[in-house]
Amino acid sequence: DSGVTQTPKHLITATGQRVTLRCSPRSGDLSVYWYQQSLDQGLQFLIQYYNGEERAKGNILERFSAQQFPDLHSELNLSSLELGDSALYFCASSVSHRRENTEAFFGQGTRLTVV
Amino acid sequence: GQQVMQIPQYQHVQEGEDFTTYCNSSTTLSNIQWYKQRPGGHPVFLIQLVKSGEVKKQKRLTFQFGEAKKNSSLHITATQTTDVGTYFCAGPDNNAGNMLTFGGGTRLMVKP
Repeated sequence: DSGVTQTPKHLITATGQRVTLRCSPRSGDLSVYWYQQSLDQGLQFLIQYYNGEERAKGNILERFSAQQFPDLHSELNLSSLELGDSALYFCASSVSHRRENTEAFFGQGTRLTVV
Repeated sequence: GQQVMQIPQYQHVQEGEDFTTYCNSSTTLSNIQWYKQRPGGHPVFLIQLVKSGEVKKQKRLTFQFGEAKKNSSLHITATQTTDVGTYFCAGPDNNAGNMLTFGGGTRLMVKP
């Protein structure tokens, strides 16, 4: 158990809909990352938050947004969903954003299926 | 931005054979990390290398960090079926909040 909790584990929704994925980082971790993993693909970085502030942005679509709340949990919002958004979405946390403390602990992921 | 490449993308081996995956970064890394993702699972941290030329061992796994801190390798001796999974290397992007950039991964399949 990594200590990172993601909900829900599975999500099936229709095209055009909006969903929210939730992540609770490990206790004490201030940095949260979101990654997208399509079938048999690598981990595509979406966005990073540190202590409530956006820290880095990857190839995140404009239809996607995220935030980190004062209690450090994070949510990833995906809207106007398309079939191609079907993927595994991972949340990871690390102690800080400092380069020596970037060891990441991953949640179990949310498998999103858009039909 | 920083790019991290891994080869090979896939590797089939017979149980007992050795396996190596290679990782190359477009920029010098402050550290390199390795993760393993079992089929249907999530990436799990294996190790972090920090020093130039560093070599670390974990049982049958040997990790190396290149002298220029731009490449790394993971070698598994005498593979077992429990080694099956995808191995990812990752490095913090100094210019982007130190967010981890992952390589594409090497998927290892072991035939018993």
